Amino acid sequence: GAGVSQSPSNKVTEKGKDVELRCDPISGHTALYWYRQSLGQGLEFLIYFQGNSAPDKSGLPSDRFSAERTGGSVSTLTIQRTQQEDSAVYLCASSPDGNTIYFGEGSWLTVV
Amino acid sequence: QQQVKQSPQSLIVQKGGISIINCAYENTAFDYFPWYQQFPGKGPALLIAIRPDVSEKKEGRFTISFNKSAKQFSLHIMDSQPGDSATYFCAASHTWPGQNFVFGPGTRLSVLP
Repeated sequence: GAGVSQSPSNKVTEKGKDVELRCDPISGHTALYWYRQSLGQGLEFLIYFQGNSAPDKSGLPSDRFSAERTGGSVSTLTIQRTQQEDSAVYLCASSPDGNTIYFGEGSWLTVV
Repeated sequence: QQQVKQSPQSLIVQKGGISIINCAYENTAFDYFPWYQQFPGKGPALLIAIRPDVSEKKEGRFTISFNKSAKQFSLHIMDSQPGDSATYFCAASHTWPGQNFVFGPGTRLSVLP
């Protein structure tokens, strides 16, 4: 079966532009997570969706960051007015049970 | 209270040796403790996980030791191989439908041939 799919795999954008990162979770997984990983660093929690519940947005670093999940499946992470410090790998993960989470391979974002 | 501490930051081990990575947590509500392995350019992948009702879990060369009273858990890699060279993250979470996972900062393991 297919794993968590993320697109684009690589994105180079100019400072100040908006970017959208897409995540297709594993079919049937009700939980979806977004994490950010800077080069050689750990995993920074951004946002968590669980079913139809209100998302946990406590990790979003600023109001330039937002995410939505449509139909309980695909999710889009949007970064407005990108800054150089936004350069990182954005990892999406999904889970069927809230315990075992499966990561995608990430979207590598570079802001120049 | 949500933090998970992990050490060492980096580790170099000779082939065949034992790699040991330690983690500690504060929140006693955590009840699921997985370890993730990440190779360069890839997303983290679940390696092994434990719940606090057992003190040890072994899968092949990988063992988790769990000390509930000390709020510590560790990953032991026996007979370490160069292919084990990766970054390892410990994590903690609440039982479903609880909060999101909290990850440690990671340990970069290098196994020398």
